[in-house]
Amino acid sequence: AQSVSQHNHHVILSEAASLELGCNYSYGGTVNLFWYVQYPGQHLQLLLKYFSGDPLVKGIKGFEAEFIKSKFSFNLRKPSVQWSDTAEYFCAVNARRTGANNLFFGTGTRLTVIP
Amino acid sequence: NAGVTQTPKFQVLKTGQSMTLQCAQDMNHEYMSWYRQDPGMGLRLIHYSVGAGITDQGEVPNGYNVSRSTTEDFPLRLLSAAPSQTSVYFCASSRRQGTSGSRGFYEQYFGPGTRLTVT
Repeated sequence: AQSVSQHNHHVILSEAASLELGCNYSYGGTVNLFWYVQYPGQHLQLLLKYFSGDPLVKGIKGFEAEFIKSKFSFNLRKPSVQWSDTAEYFCAVNARRTGANNLFFGTGTRLTVIP
Repeated sequence: NAGVTQTPKFQVLKTGQSMTLQCAQDMNHEYMSWYRQDPGMGLRLIHYSVGAGITDQGEVPNGYNVSRSTTEDFPLRLLSAAPSQTSVYFCASSRRQGTSGSRGFYEQYFGPGTRLTVT
């Protein structure tokens, strides 16, 4: 079975600090990878996705993530966070195979950005 | 497009009551799914559907039923509510890559959620 680990449960940063959130997954086959963000009181929104190609993926709002296949990792980065980035961030993975699209989520990382 | 819509936004049930959470999408997506979100556990898949008339179980299906009579709608039924079903429920949808069944799906779009409390 697939599983996703997000090691940072709560990260607190000051504005302009750099961000890196870890995500590791366990699955032996080919995967699609996602980062979703959930702002307070809102639903999940897609930040970025990796299906194939360049392992460095750029998403919305200045976020990027790098897929390192050998490490089964898909860490999320942002060079300079803003107060508006305060939210919960979820890494998710699904197996790249036909007939299924079931996402496995990590437990989430809560990011608090202090002005 | 309205995207993925869910009703109600909030619901309180007593143990043993039944109810249906509604989910609809207007994007003609083939795939629809239900997740529950619990503190410290992320989102877990309850049931999913890859097209009208086709449903299957996810990671935590017990106590829930689904049906998919149309492409647009994917209701989730709680048969006899239990306090362990207190959670936030999210519906999601995505479209298939290409027109044949041999392709996978694109990313999922989520609805606004239903916060359910069972007392």
